[in-house]
Amino acid sequence: DTEVTQTPKHLVMGMTNKKSLKCEQHMGHRAMYWYKQKAKKPPELMFVYSYEKLSINESVPSRFSPECPNSSLLNLHLHALQPEDSALYLCASSPHRTGAANEKLFFGSGTQLSVL
Amino acid sequence: AQKITQTQPGMFVQEKEAVTLDCTYDTSDPSYGLFWYKQPSSGEMIFLIYQGSYDQQNATEGRYSLNFQKARKSANLVISASQLGDSAMYFCAMREGRGTDKLIFGTGTRLQVFP
Repeated sequence: DTEVTQTPKHLVMGMTNKKSLKCEQHMGHRAMYWYKQKAKKPPELMFVYSYEKLSINESVPSRFSPECPNSSLLNLHLHALQPEDSALYLCASSPHRTGAANEKLFFGSGTQLSVL
Repeated sequence: AQKITQTQPGMFVQEKEAVTLDCTYDTSDPSYGLFWYKQPSSGEMIFLIYQGSYDQQNATEGRYSLNFQKARKSANLVISASQLGDSAMYFCAMREGRGTDKLIFGTGTRLQVFP
């Protein structure tokens, strides 16, 4: 299994809603990532989990709350989002060998989020 | 700070022809990796090819090859024998080797292949 699975594929939510994005991989990877991608822009790193611990938070607003319950799962909890948060949210994983510049990321197909 | 530059917002190529997508980078780390990803309209980022900073030979993967010029800090992607299915966004990305978990992307090039 070389897939990263993201659910849901599409999500529409109001600014007062609470929702969660889910990401799952069964490749034994120990690093997992959340990226945000606005239309016609490159993916921007949000969070990195390494061995289930948050290792990087790129100054993301607190209305985005990541969670890594185990090595296969990564969630992104959303609360009180703004319309400008509408974007494609991509999850990725990598084996995580420390200092390995050659680690490629395996990406899911993303969740297209619309905030009304 | 690392930086990736893709200067071609869009490129056109005729089917069966070759095309080169440009990428330049800037880093002070002697150990780094350069990646190319393809993103079709479906949204998924598909890994194409990798080049390490210490690799002596240019990387190749099927119809994809990477023209790595270390002194010029460029890592151009060459797609040979273009196919209609190659139409997509192409992103160059870099990862430094000092234990960072960051993979940083360039702004991308939209490639359109016409019959």
